[in-house]
Amino acid sequence: EIVLTQSPTTMAASPGEKVTITCRASSSVSYMHWFQQKSGTSPKPWIYDTSKLASGVPDRFSGSGSGTSYSLTISSMEAEDAATYYCLQRSSYPYTFGAGTKLELK
Amino acid sequence: QVTLKESGPGILQPSQTLSLTCTFSGFSLSTYGMGVGWIRQPSGKGLEWLANIWWDDDKYYNPSLKNRLTISKDTSNNQAFLKITNVDTADTATYYCARIRVPGYNGPFDYWGQGVMVTVSS
Repeated sequence: EIVLTQSPTTMAASPGEKVTITCRASSSVSYMHWFQQKSGTSPKPWIYDTSKLASGVPDRFSGSGSGTSYSLTISSMEAEDAATYYCLQRSSYPYTFGAGTKLELK
Repeated sequence: QVTLKESGPGILQPSQTLSLTCTFSGFSLSTYGMGVGWIRQPSGKGLEWLANIWWDDDKYYNPSLKNRLTISKDTSNNQAFLKITNVDTADTATYYCARIRVPGYNGPFDYWGQGVMVTVSS
């Protein structure tokens, strides 16, 4: 099983601040996928195939990485970005999610 | 328009079998490349992938649940099902179904249901 380790676990960012969330895989994966979840709602696809933005995702978000190291970046934090972000690998079964990064507004 | 909706018993007792139904529209599980996955989330915790079923009836399970899972589909009625046997309190969670497609499309789990809460309690 591929273990995904997200960091940080929680963080707070001020409006306009750049934010980077990382996801490290215990073995190499082909792509990383990211989901955003706000309290009481279903996860939403956010970034897929490492760097492609899902429909409706603002372009201040970006994704990058390869092999065992991936990241989600927000170029300029906005209030609506406060949420929990999860990474997912589907390169091999069982699919695995990271434990999540809770991003709060400072 | 793709929609999915989960349904389940709400509450059940330890050792019982949990039966979940995912009723979907806007796509067909008989179409090449289509699949439905089940994911769960205990309250306040992270996401755990449970199982996938594909258009060709291929099935994949999370081995951490040790053969307690059975996924199936009814293509004619646009439904997918998940059974979990011998439940205990650790199975208390919100259960989601989500559409998945083979790689090359808009990423995995591109549409999700609203989730159904399941509580295991004696």
